[in-house]
Amino acid sequence: SSELTQDPAVSVALGQTIRVTCQGDSLRNYHANWYQQKPGQAPILVVFGKNDRPSGIPDRFSGSRSGNTASLTITGAQADDDADYYCNSRDTSGSYRVFGGGTKVTVL
Amino acid sequence: QVQLQESGPRLVEPSQTLSLTCTVSGGSIGGSEFYWTWIRQRPGRGLEWIGYIYHNGITYSDPSLRRRVTVSVDTSKNQFSLTLRSVTAADTAVYYCARDADYYNSGSFDSWSQGTLVTVSS
Repeated sequence: SSELTQDPAVSVALGQTIRVTCQGDSLRNYHANWYQQKPGQAPILVVFGKNDRPSGIPDRFSGSRSGNTASLTITGAQADDDADYYCNSRDTSGSYRVFGGGTKVTVL
Repeated sequence: QVQLQESGPRLVEPSQTLSLTCTVSGGSIGGSEFYWTWIRQRPGRGLEWIGYIYHNGITYSDPSLRRRVTVSVDTSKNQFSLTLRSVTAADTAVYYCARDADYYNSGSFDSWSQGTLVTVSS
């Protein structure tokens, strides 16, 4: 079982904004990180920490956190954003790492 | 730019031991501030954290796997390894090695290998 909970699937119209959420008690103390995974590929980090992006990640990806919920927002979704998105952080003990179950984002 | 590449058998018989090695290039494991990590993804499922090792040999692994998992490091070869004992079909998965940069103390994986499918079958 995962200590981080994500909605299994969401959809967004091309060019619209979508928010993917991740809930868990550990998020009260730790930031969430977000990964994009396309079929047959390794995940890539798209947002980490407070709201940082690795080099090369478009600025339409942003992150936020409130209480026990972290969010990944895609502003102006593109067809290329159609993918699975996973959150991760430390667990409540701080010793381990945990992943959310993943959210399938479909861009219509 | 650090790169990670796994190597090891792609087919393991039930009850045997799965062994994978991750070779790191473009950066040194020894003395680094990173956590060298194994992650897996069973077919059609989500990502599952297995465990990590720090350059000084400190390791942590998921409680559900701890009895069967060993993560080790060979800094002279710039490699780290995963050993998973007594495997079953449930251990069939794509296995990734990754670098945990732990940005903001929140466990962030900024570099990944391409992944390798390991099948447990007789």
